[in-house]
Amino acid sequence: AQSVTQLDSHVSVSEGTPVLLRCNYSSSYSPSLFWYVQHPNKGLQLLLKYTSAATLVKGINGFEAEFKKSETSFHLTKPSAHMSDAAEYFCVVSDPGGNTPLVFGKGTRLSVIA
Amino acid sequence: GAVVSQHPSWVICKSGTSVKIECRSLDFQATTMFWYRQFPKQSLMLMATSNEGSKATYEQGVEKDKFLINHASLTLSTLTVTSAHPEDSSFYICSARPRGGTQYFGPGTRLLVL
Repeated sequence: AQSVTQLDSHVSVSEGTPVLLRCNYSSSYSPSLFWYVQHPNKGLQLLLKYTSAATLVKGINGFEAEFKKSETSFHLTKPSAHMSDAAEYFCVVSDPGGNTPLVFGKGTRLSVIA
Repeated sequence: GAVVSQHPSWVICKSGTSVKIECRSLDFQATTMFWYRQFPKQSLMLMATSNEGSKATYEQGVEKDKFLINHASLTLSTLTVTSAHPEDSSFYICSARPRGGTQYFGPGTRLLVL
């Protein structure tokens, strides 16, 4: 069985400061991991994904995430927050072949203060 | 990148009527499509998985007679909410996946049942 825990339901940062959204996973095999972003009343957009290649994954809009097997973590970071980054972020786990349904975390709402 | 569309984006209906939501993969063939439901400020809940030409597989607790899913072609799946009631009001999101590929999400359909 797989599960995802997003450690913060809400994160608030000032514009121009770093962003850290935390995610821990549980999986009985080497997983695929994803970060999705959802803006209000919109669908989900894939930010980045890890599929057992490089452990540091670079995504769109300056986001990146590092897969740390020893810590079972896949935290999302960005060096400098922009107002447009304010949204809901979901950490998602899947089996490597994508044969099982995606398992979503509960989401972290990111607020960016001017 | 791959595009998934949903129609309509918004629907308001009277209690007791049925509503059909379409999900289309615009530039790829989706062997599998998924339907999710999202309540306000919550994560996505998988409702059902459908493979082209097969009956949908519903998650536990989802009434298959209430939420009819049809995946008649490799680019189209429909979700029909039959005899809708106010408690069915929600944000419905579909995703589509080509064989062996990543899931791509639609923009969502907001349903309000009066």
